[in-house]
Amino acid sequence: GAGVSQSPRYKVAKRGQDVALRCDPISGHVSLFWYQQALGQGPEFLTYFQNEAQLDKSGLPSDRFFAERPEGSVSTLKIQRTQQEDSAVYLCASSLGPQSYEQYFGPGTRLTVT
Amino acid sequence: GQNIDQPTEMTATEGAIVQINCTYQTSGFNGLFWYQQHAGEAPTFLSYNVLDGLEEKGRFSSFLSRSKGYSYLLLKELQMKDSASYLCAVNVFSGGYNKLIFGAGTRLAVHP
Repeated sequence: GAGVSQSPRYKVAKRGQDVALRCDPISGHVSLFWYQQALGQGPEFLTYFQNEAQLDKSGLPSDRFFAERPEGSVSTLKIQRTQQEDSAVYLCASSLGPQSYEQYFGPGTRLTVT
Repeated sequence: GQNIDQPTEMTATEGAIVQINCTYQTSGFNGLFWYQQHAGEAPTFLSYNVLDGLEEKGRFSSFLSRSKGYSYLLLKELQMKDSASYLCAVNVFSGGYNKLIFGAGTRLAVHP
């Protein structure tokens, strides 16, 4: 069965460029999470969706970060005017629903801003 | 606030046993996860403890004491492939959903 997929796997952007990172969760999973993982650190929560509703965006580091999930399945994390400090791995995870505790992680997108 | 502490690095010998500790201070505690993460890969689930005590699964065991805010992951009969980062993550139920708060991870190096 298909797991969580993310694309692209690697992205190099020049400082100031906009990037869009895609996440395809497991089919039927209601909950979707985005995390940012800096080198040598654990994943840090960015935002949470329940279906198409973005219920928690408390972890987004600045207003340059924007996420959407318009039809309640695929999600896109967009970063505008990228900065070097945005270089990290961006992980997406999905779970069956808000009461479920197990999250299934995608392989991540490694973003390098030069 | 939420705080999770675990050692940054550990080394061990192939065939030996290693214990990775994790202490936490969180509100809305709803269980504790251990994940394994190889370099460049996604975290993979190892264990989940919600009640106090020891959970054993093959070469891996995980222990939880909620009153002490303490957990450990025990790896037995270490193999070279166990070289990875081990992430302690507290599951917090807040705002009507479960959310993971991760520690910084412990990088384990297994040598012959």
